[in-house]
Amino acid sequence: DAGVIQSPRHEVTEMGQEVTLRCKPISGHDYLFWYRQTMMRGLELLIYFNNNVPIDDSGMPEDRFSAKMPNASFSTLKIQPSEPRDSAVYFCASSKLAGARNEQFFGPGTRLTVL
Amino acid sequence: KNQVEQSPQSLIILEGKNCTLQCNYTVSPFSNLRWYKQDTGRGPVSLTIMTFSENTKSNGRYTATLDADTKQSSLHITASQLSDSASYICVYIKAAGNKLTFGGGTRVLVKP
Repeated sequence: DAGVIQSPRHEVTEMGQEVTLRCKPISGHDYLFWYRQTMMRGLELLIYFNNNVPIDDSGMPEDRFSAKMPNASFSTLKIQPSEPRDSAVYFCASSKLAGARNEQFFGPGTRLTVL
Repeated sequence: KNQVEQSPQSLIILEGKNCTLQCNYTVSPFSNLRWYKQDTGRGPVSLTIMTFSENTKSNGRYTATLDADTKQSSLHITASQLSDSASYICVYIKAAGNKLTFGGGTRVLVKP
C-alpha cells in the first residue's frame, strides 16, 4: 500500500485566497483525521471522520475552515479566505479501527504558506 | 498548560552515544501512550505503544518506559545513528475515543 497520500506537498498563496488540501487515506481504513502542526502549538487535531461522516470538528479553528469526505478514498480540507496565521503543515492520517490501540498512519503533510 | 510536557526541547548528541528523552503527562484516565518519530518533512511514525500495565517496550534501539504512578515516560535511544536525527513526540491517548494529545516534541540532532 502506498500509505496516506496528500496533495499538494507545498502550497504558497496570498491572503484572501481559497486553499484546498487533499487526502487519500489507506484503503480499508474507516477513520480519517486532519491535523495542523505549527512551531508554537505543535500537532493539533482539527477534525476526524468515521465512514465518511464527520464525528468531531471541535478543533476546527473557525468558520473559514471546512472539511469534506465525499467517499471512502478522498477528503478535502478547505480554507476560505486564507490568512497568514493559517501558515502551517497540515497532516492527514487514517486508521482502520477506533480506539487507543489502533495506530493512526500519517501522510507526508502539506506545507501551507499564506503571504 | 499542555497536558503532555516533553523535555528537553532539543538536544545534540554524538553518533554512537545514548540519550534519554522525557515525557510527563497530566491527563487521566490513562489508556495508552505512544512515542512517535517525525523525520524532517515527513509525517510522524509510531515507534512504541504502551498501556498502563506495561513498564517497558522496545523497538530495536528504542526503548520506552512508563511509570503510571508518577505519570512519566521516557524514550531511550541506544547507540545513536545519524538517521536518529528527528523529532520525537510523546502522545497520550484516552481510553475512549480517537483523539490524541501530543507533546511538543524533542528535536534530536545526531552529529558524526
